[in-house]
Amino acid sequence: QKEVEQDPGPLSVPEGAIVSLNCTYSNSAFQYFMWYRQYSRKGPELLMYTYSSGNKEDGRFTAQVDKSSKYISLFIRDSQPSDSATYLCAPAGGTSYGKLTFGQGTILTVHP
Amino acid sequence: KAGVTQTPRYLIKTRGQQVTLSCSPISGHRSVSWYQQTPGQGLQFLFEYFSETQRNKGNFPGRFSGRQFSNSRSEMNVSTLELGDSALYLCASSILAGDTGELFFGEGSRLTVL
Repeated sequence: QKEVEQDPGPLSVPEGAIVSLNCTYSNSAFQYFMWYRQYSRKGPELLMYTYSSGNKEDGRFTAQVDKSSKYISLFIRDSQPSDSATYLCAPAGGTSYGKLTFGQGTILTVHP
Repeated sequence: KAGVTQTPRYLIKTRGQQVTLSCSPISGHRSVSWYQQTPGQGLQFLFEYFSETQRNKGNFPGRFSGRQFSNSRSEMNVSTLELGDSALYLCASSILAGDTGELFFGEGSRLTVL
């Protein structure tokens, strides 16, 4: 079993749809939960992160963590074609020193 | 402020050769990590350097090595290349010595091994 599981999709939605992206993880030591976005031919960029359980909202994006079930979610409201990218979850914590364990990444396409 | 710069962006090598990839972190960032990205395995951690010391290493064979210089610039080397080493190699820098996961990635060096 992988330490972080993420459905690779691909996921295709119409513009304006609500998108739900999810990951599960197995390491209880994870305390920080990141979402990175990677456009084609680019490096990943940090989209948002949360610490411990709970929700965090940033514009059209909401990150949600449930540590009891080891479940991470990212919601995108009013999705736009510019949101088309690969979304990678990456929990972190403990003495990992620069090491993030990424999910496989979900390929999202938002079509006009 | 300049981002993370990786060179070369693209390169083609043949089996058995070796390759050196370079990374210049964001100014002021002292931690540099390296990742390999492939369609099958996704992003996998190679190693991390902080103040010229390797602090963490992933599960890759000894053919993969790296180093960091006093100006925080880093290089990674892959010797005796294999077809399976074809991948996007990403460098990431961080200002913190801790583990918040706020990594800033470069655009990567795409290596093709023939």
